[in-house]
Amino acid sequence: DAGVIQSPRHEVTEMGQEVTLRCKPISGHDYLFWYRQTMMRGLELLIYFNNNVPIDDSGMPEDRFSAKMPNASFSTLKIQPSEPRDSAVYFCASSLAPRVGGGLHSTDTQYFGPGTRLTVL
Amino acid sequence: QKEVEQDPGPLSVPEGAIVSLNCTYSNSAFQYFMWYRQYSRKGPELLMYTYSSGNKEDGRFTAQVDKSSKYISLFIRDSQPSDSATYLCAMRASGTYKYIFGTGTRLKVLA
Repeated sequence: DAGVIQSPRHEVTEMGQEVTLRCKPISGHDYLFWYRQTMMRGLELLIYFNNNVPIDDSGMPEDRFSAKMPNASFSTLKIQPSEPRDSAVYFCASSLAPRVGGGLHSTDTQYFGPGTRLTVL
Repeated sequence: QKEVEQDPGPLSVPEGAIVSLNCTYSNSAFQYFMWYRQYSRKGPELLMYTYSSGNKEDGRFTAQVDKSSKYISLFIRDSQPSDSATYLCAMRASGTYKYIFGTGTRLKVLA
């Protein structure tokens, strides 16, 4: 498997512009997570999905951020309008749901993508 | 106060040393604990996970959880230059997959 795929790898934009980050999870995975990483705040969970349904979006910083998962193989994180303080590395991760008879904690094994480095000028 | 505290380092040790990395947390509801390793400009990768107090060993790595003290540790024996990375602790409560991460400790193992 190719692993979790994120695009673009780097994005430089100007304040006020719309930014869309994309993620393709590992095929067959049930959970998808969006994180943001900065030096000051570390790695923060923004939102996670189970079977394409958003479960917890309490980490989304404000209404400028939105995330969708239209199908099992694709998710987007959108920032509109973008601000300089949104500059960070954004990671997508995926994992399996617990399995009875084995892998009860498989969800805790998250596979991270390479990240998108976002710079908002 | 952050829910999870982790010394950012950097921590520099000579090759072959035993390394101790630690996190403290404030939320007694956390029951599941993980350690991730992150190389520069890469995504984190899971190193170890534990679901109860006590020790868990995997090769050169040992994870330790002390719920009474709200303290978790990762020990690396016979450290190698290839262990140089940032180590992140993560944890969650039961019934949710809302993970809380520490800010990470940067480790340098000198050859």
